[in-house]
Amino acid sequence: DAKTTQPPSMDCAEGRAANLPCNHSTISGNEYVYWYRQIHSQGPQYIIHGLKNNETNEMASLIITEDRKSSTLILPHATLRDTAVYYCIVRVPWMDSSYKLIFGSGTRLLVRP
Amino acid sequence: GAVVSQHPSWVICKSGTSVKIECRSLDFQATTMFWYRQFPKQSLMLMATSNEGSKATYEQGVEKDKFLINHASLTLSTLTVTSAHPEDSSFYICSARDGTSGKNEQFFGPGTRLTVL
Repeated sequence: DAKTTQPPSMDCAEGRAANLPCNHSTISGNEYVYWYRQIHSQGPQYIIHGLKNNETNEMASLIITEDRKSSTLILPHATLRDTAVYYCIVRVPWMDSSYKLIFGSGTRLLVRP
Repeated sequence: GAVVSQHPSWVICKSGTSVKIECRSLDFQATTMFWYRQFPKQSLMLMATSNEGSKATYEQGVEKDKFLINHASLTLSTLTVTSAHPEDSSFYICSARDGTSGKNEQFFGPGTRLTVL
């Protein structure tokens, strides 16, 4: 089962920051948080991932709370093309040194003109 | 990012026939590959995970005799839906990871839409 909880839907205005929250209160100390998004009828697109520290790349920023029980994905200047379903995922150990991603229900983000 | 392709992108078949879907990593070695299924307006459900050269490990509730997975090379995995029925109609998505890169990134294919008549 997925270890994350997200609001089912959110919206924001074009050009404004979109802040997508995620709760993962049962996360273990060495489990990473991943974010992907899926535009309609396409495969998921990797956005960012992190363990403890905040992370930033060309797409987004990831803010992880100090207790690691929640995180927020920030799209600094949302565009209409950012309309998608955003998935927050805690990766699950698989076999000795690998892992797998179990998707939760995600947040449907609508960016308004 | 790395590219994962799937073929075909869509397929329509008659009930009772078998369908094979290919998943290829185009510019990296996929040491681990994953197959997901997604029904309309639902999230992705992991079906199975496989390391190259090994048998796939199926998630609980997924019939391994119905969904045959082969991961015989570092760039190719196939999913065969045997004796397909209308309830198997879904969006099938593969994913691949290069376990040797140390980057911890997992890339997804564009998906294959299967419709069983």
